[in-house]
Amino acid sequence: DGGITQSPKYLFRKEGQNVTLSCEQNLNHDAMYWYRQDPGQGLRLIYYSQIVNDFQKGDIAEGYSVSREKKESFPLTVTSAQKNPTAFYLCASSIVGDSYEQYFGPGTRLTVT
Amino acid sequence: GENVEQHPSTLSVQEGDSAVIKCTYSDSASNYFPWYKQELGKGPQLIIDIRSNVGEKKDQRIAVTLNKTAKHFSLHITETQPEDSAVYFCAAHRNQFYFGTGTSLTVIP
Repeated sequence: DGGITQSPKYLFRKEGQNVTLSCEQNLNHDAMYWYRQDPGQGLRLIYYSQIVNDFQKGDIAEGYSVSREKKESFPLTVTSAQKNPTAFYLCASSIVGDSYEQYFGPGTRLTVT
Repeated sequence: GENVEQHPSTLSVQEGDSAVIKCTYSDSASNYFPWYKQELGKGPQLIIDIRSNVGEKKDQRIAVTLNKTAKHFSLHITETQPEDSAVYFCAAHRNQFYFGTGTSLTVIP
């Protein structure tokens, strides 16, 4: 898990509510990423950010939003517009440049009922 | 965009035997290929990686090979141990990371 923390580990919400997942890193990495993991589908990119105050949509950004106000923090909000939000959410970080090693946090399991 | 396929989806081996997991990719411009190990309920851990200018890389019992012409790369684990049991993911990097669907490896004592 390195220097990436995600909280909480388990999160339960009612349908129709927005929920924010926390991700903090102390690796001094410029790039941060959010992935969604569903059984049998591998990891799919939601959003990524390579610099403070800038971020790009990944393959499945609909129904999600992010902010990058600090280098260390990259919170993900799962909005009520996300049709199937129950999943395991993983945050990752990496150096920008020739070194691509990407390190993951421990994940947050979100259940929406 | 890039498409990464991973096989097999499940693999069982006897302790001490070797395990091989294979991945193919579609975009010849992909230039970095990491492998991750994920234990139940945890985040993936980088175990080995290879760049497009290298054909093979070893780290103790783990090795990765890359065939750029055929666009496939493989993870080899020798002398498997029960603690190697986990889900393994391959990935290819082309502006962003594209992941395979994972292989659940079980090492039988």
